[in-house]
Amino acid sequence: AQKVTQAQTEISVVEKEDVTLDCVYETRDTTYYLFWYKQPPSGELVFLIRRNSFDEQNEISGRYSWNFQKSTSSFNFTITASQVVDSAVYFCALSEARSNSGYALNFGKGTSLLVTP
Amino acid sequence: DAGVIQSPRHEVTEMGQEVTLRCKPISGHDYLFWYRQTMMRGLELLIYFNNNVPIDDSGMPEDRFSAKMPNASFSTLKIQPSEPRDSAVYFCASSLFRESPLHFGNGTRLTVT
Repeated sequence: AQKVTQAQTEISVVEKEDVTLDCVYETRDTTYYLFWYKQPPSGELVFLIRRNSFDEQNEISGRYSWNFQKSTSSFNFTITASQVVDSAVYFCALSEARSNSGYALNFGKGTSLLVTP
Repeated sequence: DAGVIQSPRHEVTEMGQEVTLRCKPISGHDYLFWYRQTMMRGLELLIYFNNNVPIDDSGMPEDRFSAKMPNASFSTLKIQPSEPRDSAVYFCASSLFRESPLHFGNGTRLTVT
């Protein structure tokens, strides 16, 4: 079963537009962590944010903001006034404990964002 | 900090050959992860270590894959024998704690012909 769903496969916007990337997750744990990573065309994976399940405060970092809503199991990511350099694949990920005391960081399939001039 | 270092960056090999991917985690990080990225399956966790001990290898595809971490500063992922379906980008990542953000290496792009 897919633990993290990023329904938007590709998004294309024009520079300066705002864009929201959706992330819906599924877990039975009461304690879990949510992450967003960016993968630019060069291929590396860059950490953007981590949120724990007990902190539903929205977060803003420059042009980036995140909306965490447990009621809808969503952790959406908004880029305000998008720029060409924002073009990348963005991954949402869920960290939860496995029943056998293991650990899993499940990534969504990613949303490819293209920002054109 | 040098970050997570992976080698080689690219590897092209023929089916049946042994492939060894290498990773040096960030100093002081207790957790090391190996991920595989393909278009079809996205990012998959293969195995992770805590303090050099393999904790969960349930993501390792089959017996052809093996991973070791002989010390805190080095890990290998070996595929023997390699097959074309193993072609992917393999990422190594490390973290301070289990739920800490992962710091990824630049990946190894493996092509098996």
